[in-house]
Amino acid sequence: AQKITQTQPGMFVQEKEAVTLDCTYDTSDQSYGLFWYKQPSSGEMIFLIYQGSYDEQNATEGRYSLNFQKARKSANLVISASQLGDSAMYFCAMREGTGSARQLTFGSGTQLTVLP
Amino acid sequence: ETGVTQSPTHLIKTRGQQVTLRCSSQSGHNTVSWYQQALGQGPQFIFQYYREEENGRGNFPPRFSGLQFPNYSSELNVNALELDDSALYLCASSLAVSSEQYFGPGTRLTVT
Repeated sequence: AQKITQTQPGMFVQEKEAVTLDCTYDTSDQSYGLFWYKQPSSGEMIFLIYQGSYDEQNATEGRYSLNFQKARKSANLVISASQLGDSAMYFCAMREGTGSARQLTFGSGTQLTVLP
Repeated sequence: ETGVTQSPTHLIKTRGQQVTLRCSSQSGHNTVSWYQQALGQGPQFIFQYYREEENGRGNFPPRFSGLQFPNYSSELNVNALELDDSALYLCASSLAVSSEQYFGPGTRLTVT
């Protein structure tokens, strides 16, 4: 089974509007972390936002917020007031509590295009 | 910028050859993780080095190997290159194993 599922291969949003990128996850660990990264065409993975499994409040970082619904195992990214520079690939990732390496497991990504 | 650097930026190799990719971690970071990102996919974990020892490995064959040096910089070596090894290789450094990972710009490897 996929550990991270991103069901939207591509999304379009008008400049200045809000957009939600979907992410669902699968884990049996009680302790885990969820991340969102932005990857422009240059290739570098840019960290956007983090949510811990025990965090009661949804994470926010500037225009980014994470809609965390633990019972539904979803961690959707909301970008408010979209800008042209937000056009990029967006990846949801999970770090589980077990395992020595605590590596990140990524979804397949969503290509976001912001229209002027 | 994260302070993580990778070299070279781009590389073209022939099937069967060997390649070495390099990563300099952010100052003070003792953990380096390597990921392979094939075109149109998310990154996949290759392995992690912590204080010069391999600390975990993903589902990659033994021809993928690595090193970490006393200054915590790292190398990824791939032997007997195959066409499917064509990908963006990302390294990420962190202050500790369970800390946030900071990614470098990647090395784009093309195998012909």
